[in-house]
Amino acid sequence: DAGVIQSPRHEVTEMGQEVTLRCKPISGHNSLFWYRQTMMRGLELLIYFNNNVPIDDSGMPEDRFSAKMPNASFSTLKIQPSEPRDSAVYFCASSLWQGGYTFGSGTRLTVV
Amino acid sequence: GQQLNQSPQSMFIQEGEDVSMNCTSSSIFNTWLWYKQDPGEGPVLLIALYKAGELTSNGRLTAQFGITRKDSFLNISASIPSDVGIYFCAGEYSGGGADGLTFGKGTHLIIQP
Repeated sequence: DAGVIQSPRHEVTEMGQEVTLRCKPISGHNSLFWYRQTMMRGLELLIYFNNNVPIDDSGMPEDRFSAKMPNASFSTLKIQPSEPRDSAVYFCASSLWQGGYTFGSGTRLTVV
Repeated sequence: GQQLNQSPQSMFIQEGEDVSMNCTSSSIFNTWLWYKQDPGEGPVLLIALYKAGELTSNGRLTAQFGITRKDSFLNISASIPSDVGIYFCAGEYSGGGADGLTFGKGTHLIIQP
């Protein structure tokens, strides 16, 4: 099992540019989560999907953030336009049951 | 939203010492989890607790789900250098499937030679 796969591992972009983060969950997992980690705020849940359907996006900071899950094996988190305060590590996690979360290695985003 | 208070924020210990950290919540959870994060990696699950009062061990690690469902602790016995990292508690309140975790701010464990 390859685990949760995120790409890219690192992304440096200029303010105002569009950023797309990608996630491939573990095959068979039916829940997918996007988290953001910063020194100040720790790990924050942004949005999660059950069976490809967005369930709760109340953690998404603002309209510049959007997430999609077109099928069970792929999800994207998009930031448009990006701002320096979006700099953080973004994690994707998947789960088949309550508590059984597996995290990817994260995407470190730097917006300059 | 829900808040998890994790303490201590950091620990400086000698190799071989025992470690204890805990989390408290303003709300009840029906799942408590403990994760470890190494630099440049995502959190890795150490122990999962599903029942109030449950005490679970995983090697040198022991964790308990508090009776009130608002707290949990993690103990590490006889620490070794590879225990260095950030430990997070996390809670979930769900009526069924996975609903997303609320994380504590983490405990940085540093082992002095």
